[in-house]
Amino acid sequence: SYELAQSPSVSVSPGQTASITCSGDKLSDKYVSWYQQQSGQSPVLVIYQDTKRPPGISERFSASNFGNTATLTISGTQEMDEAEYYCQAWDSGTMLFGGGTKMTVL
Amino acid sequence: QIQLVESGGGVVQSGRSLRLSCLTSGFTFSNFGMHWVRQAPGKGLEWVAVMSNDGYDVKYADSVKGRTTISRDTSRNTLYLQMNSLRREDTAVYYCARGDPGQYSSSSGSLEYWGQGTLVTVSS
Repeated sequence: SYELAQSPSVSVSPGQTASITCSGDKLSDKYVSWYQQQSGQSPVLVIYQDTKRPPGISERFSASNFGNTATLTISGTQEMDEAEYYCQAWDSGTMLFGGGTKMTVL
Repeated sequence: QIQLVESGGGVVQSGRSLRLSCLTSGFTFSNFGMHWVRQAPGKGLEWVAVMSNDGYDVKYADSVKGRTTISRDTSRNTLYLQMNSLRREDTAVYYCARGDPGQYSSSSGSLEYWGQGTLVTVSS
């Protein structure tokens, strides 16, 4: 079965750029979305169709999807960006989530 | 504004049944695919099921297939999840979420709006 792999954690200093990756076989053949989930909150969609931002999402969030890897990039990282981030795609008619990456800002 | 409000969670014994509801507002319910996603305590997101905008197509995760039924009532703008033969591993917060509009609403897209979730605890 198809899997989306994410590193469990990443740390970044305030003001720096964070990169979170999501890997899967020929992932660039699929659309990838990204969700931010802050502690105790419901997930929030931050990127859809590989690179698009929903209304209200900061321009500091950007993404790409090439080959086997999709990448979420957060520029000028702020303390408020500390959260779990999940990638999501579809395979064989079912929705899949990556395991999540805990981003710590310190 | 767009709202999704889940209800129906609680503590239930293993092997019993439970029906979750998701009351929606602020958008044309019949235009959008609707999903259930769950999150076990301390774990990641797990997609559970989707129903297409027109109700004709449904899909389930293997982990719940055969025990779970997703349905929708357009007159009530409400999504449901009927869960039978509950197991300890079904313990999770269950979120409903709005998918994409239109004919591909059960096979593609992302989840732009989420409810606050309802906790289901399955006890032995």
